[in-house]
Amino acid sequence: QVQLVESGGGVVQPGRSLRLSCAASGFTFSTYAMHWVRQAPGKGLEWVAVISHDGNSKYYADSVKGRFTFSRDNSKNTLSLQMNSLRAEDTAVYFCARDRSTVATFSLEYWGQGTLVTVSS
Amino acid sequence: DIQMTQSPSSLSASVGDRVTITCRASQIISNYLNWYEQKPGKAPKLLIYAASSLQSGVPSRFSGSGSGTDFTLTIATLQPEDFATYYCQQSYSSPYTFGQGTKLEIK
Repeated sequence: QVQLVESGGGVVQPGRSLRLSCAASGFTFSTYAMHWVRQAPGKGLEWVAVISHDGNSKYYADSVKGRFTFSRDNSKNTLSLQMNSLRAEDTAVYFCARDRSTVATFSLEYWGQGTLVTVSS
Repeated sequence: DIQMTQSPSSLSASVGDRVTITCRASQIISNYLNWYEQKPGKAPKLLIYAASSLQSGVPSRFSGSGSGTDFTLTIATLQPEDFATYYCQQSYSSPYTFGQGTKLEIK
């Protein structure tokens, strides 16, 4: 069965960096676009970024553009989200999610359980 | 960026009721609209994609409709497990924005 497991969350000071990972299993990882979505405590969902199946195309929310970098390693079935210059407003649970189809639809069928990032001094 | 606006933001209903949630896009998005259900402490679950297609495994009491800028999610006969927060999301263009959510509560 499809599994997505995020890791790397924690408490970090403003201005510092953190790297999130997502380990995927149960499907042919290299054929699906993948996403990050975040949810601040008590708030709604915010789409963060998408990466194409081959890693050649990436798109970001304006709120993270230039600070976050999304990458993937298809040989290891893993995703990474490098988060730099972190701000208090980046505090959230971060979910990785898989596209519904191998033809990228940008609808999110499978989700991980999330990892909490807290930006605080 | 495309803004997604849901209404209402919260809704009280009873088991057995028929419920409709609406989602409006700030520009035409054809049928590139998805609906998700989220329960507290859990990841979201895809219910409807492409405005009206029921995701595999989702009960048939859920349905979606609309095209262009105006969309609806309908739950035909509310069940106890349906009390949750519902989000729409446009998949027309990046950034693939979500609505602010509709919290469905028990009356």
